Amino acid sequence: DAGVIQSPRHEVTEMGQEVTLRCKPISGHDYLFWYRQTMMRGLELLIYFNNNVPIDDSGMPEDRFSAKMPNASFSTLKIQPSEPRDSAVYFCASSATTSNEQFFGPGTRLTVL
Amino acid sequence: QQQVKQSPQSLIVQKGGISIINCAYENTAFDYFPWYQQFPGKGPALLIAIRPDVSEKKEGRFTISFNKSAKQFSLHIMDSQPGDSATYFCAASENSGYALNFGKGTSLLVTP
Repeated sequence: DAGVIQSPRHEVTEMGQEVTLRCKPISGHDYLFWYRQTMMRGLELLIYFNNNVPIDDSGMPEDRFSAKMPNASFSTLKIQPSEPRDSAVYFCASSATTSNEQFFGPGTRLTVL
Repeated sequence: QQQVKQSPQSLIVQKGGISIINCAYENTAFDYFPWYQQFPGKGPALLIAIRPDVSEKKEGRFTISFNKSAKQFSLHIMDSQPGDSATYFCAASENSGYALNFGKGTSLLVTP
């Protein structure tokens, strides 16, 4: 298995632009998590899905952030409009119901100018 | 609000020494306590995990010590090696859900 796949790996955009981050979880995993990592706040859970259904989005910072999981093999995290304070590394992780272990992707480093 | 508090923020240990990282929590509903290891430019990866029915778990050079009454747990890295230099995160979750609450991380540097 290739593990969790995220794209793009790096994204540089200007304030006000829409940003879409993509994630492909490990096949067979039914939980998908989106995290944001910054030096100041560490790893923060933004939202997670179970069987493609959002379970907890209380970590989504603002209405500018939205996430979807249209099927078991794909999820997106969208920021519209983006702001400089959104600059961070965004991680996607997946896990199976039979295990608590979360497998993280390589992350997307987002820079908003 | 940080549900898991981790210390120290950074740690420098000589090769062959013992690295110790501590975490504390308040939520008594937590019953799964993993440690994740992250190398620069990579995502975190599970290192070792423990449940509160045991007080210690050892895997190779890595040991988790768990004190349920004190609501604390710690990671011990024996015979620390330069290849162990990484950021370590403790975390906790409730069995009723799968969301992990992470500590802020400890940057470990093992000097030759």
